[in-house]
Amino acid sequence: KNQVEQSPQSLIILEGKNCTLQCNYTVSPFSNLRWYKQDTGRGPVSLTIMTFSENTKSNGRYTATLDADTKQSSLHITASQLSDSASYICVVTSGYSTLTFGKGTMLLVSP
Amino acid sequence: NAGVTQTPKFQVLKTGQSMTLQCAQDMNHNSMYWYRQDPGMGLRLIYYSASEGTTDKGEVPNGYNVSRLNKREFSLRLESAAPSQTSVYFCASSDLTRPMNTEAFFGQGTRLTVV
Repeated sequence: KNQVEQSPQSLIILEGKNCTLQCNYTVSPFSNLRWYKQDTGRGPVSLTIMTFSENTKSNGRYTATLDADTKQSSLHITASQLSDSASYICVVTSGYSTLTFGKGTMLLVSP
Repeated sequence: NAGVTQTPKFQVLKTGQSMTLQCAQDMNHNSMYWYRQDPGMGLRLIYYSASEGTTDKGEVPNGYNVSRLNKREFSLRLESAAPSQTSVYFCASSDLTRPMNTEAFFGQGTRLTVV
């Protein structure tokens, strides 16, 4: 069964600090991995996509990494802002149509 | 560019009532999905439609039916609502003609309470 596990479940950091969110997956066959940001009361929005051959990809203050051998991904947020407070969801695509969602990490950035 | 539009945004039902959640996308995507999101459970797939004219069950299909009315519209029906169906429902769409770039675009969600 395809599974995506995220850690930590929740995290509180001070504004301006960095943090790293983790995603472990057992999905086959692997197509790509996306990190989504979900603000409270809204639908998830894609931050970045990682394909099998990519190790690192940045989108502003967000940097995603992928280790396809260990089936692990991380999302690093640099110089956090209050607007980064949200749920971050790791989603792995299998084949052409199957999306497996993690349960998300709830991040709270405190002033 | 509206993206994915869901209606209604909020709904309260009594146990046993029926209702249909509407979803429409204007991105010409072939695949559409219905998810429910409960606290601590993440997003769980109810039904999906890989292309117009086809629908398939997801992880939690019991108590729901779907209709892919055309390429743009995918509706979710609760025939006899139960309190266990209290949740936030999200519709999403994606373009399967680009399998290595399968971004799912989500609607704003429907917050459903069954009393």
